[in-house]
Amino acid sequence: DTEVTQTPKHLVMGMTNKKSLKCEQHMGHRAMYWYKQKAKKPPELMFVYSYEKLSINESVPSRFSPECPNSSLLNLHLHALQPEDSALYLCASSQVISDTWVNEQFFGPGTRLTVL
Amino acid sequence: AQSVTQLGSHVSVSEGALVLLRCNYSSSVPPYLFWYVQYPNQGLQLLLKYTSAATLVKGINDFEAEFKKSETSFHLTKPSAHMSDAAEYFCAVSVPGYSSASKIIFGSGTRLSIRP
Repeated sequence: DTEVTQTPKHLVMGMTNKKSLKCEQHMGHRAMYWYKQKAKKPPELMFVYSYEKLSINESVPSRFSPECPNSSLLNLHLHALQPEDSALYLCASSQVISDTWVNEQFFGPGTRLTVL
Repeated sequence: AQSVTQLGSHVSVSEGALVLLRCNYSSSVPPYLFWYVQYPNQGLQLLLKYTSAATLVKGINDFEAEFKKSETSFHLTKPSAHMSDAAEYFCAVSVPGYSSASKIIFGSGTRLSIRP
């Protein structure tokens, strides 16, 4: 299985809602990533988990809360988002070569988030 | 600091023509380099990767790229464009020993259009 799955595919939420994005992989990868991608832009790294521990937080606002319950699952909890948070949220996974070197990442199809 | 620069935000070629998408990297140590493709409303798919084993790298869908250290380039080519190649293409770099984090740095992207 070489697939990263993400649910839901689309999400519309109000600014007072709480919702979660889910990501799953069964490739045995021990690094998992959340990216935010605005239209016509490259993905922007948000969080990196390595061996289920948060290793990178790219100064993301606290209204985004990541969680890695086990080596196959990655969640992104959303609360009190703003309309400018509307974007495609991509999950990815990769092997961990070392603490400072990453091989290719495998991406999921993304969740299209709209904040009203 | 390591980075990649993609020359040309938009490239348009005729069906059957050569595709050339340009990428230059900046790194003080030998990098890992990647080309990803993103079709509309989808995640990123790895086309090919350079990991120092061979300077000419062949990928999926007849794409290939050549690593040229003297020119710090990793341009993507395809001999004959197909309509299905229309997509956004991202060049990316991973560098060992980059701080204590494992990151891939993406270029700004090049949108490839194919004319009938």
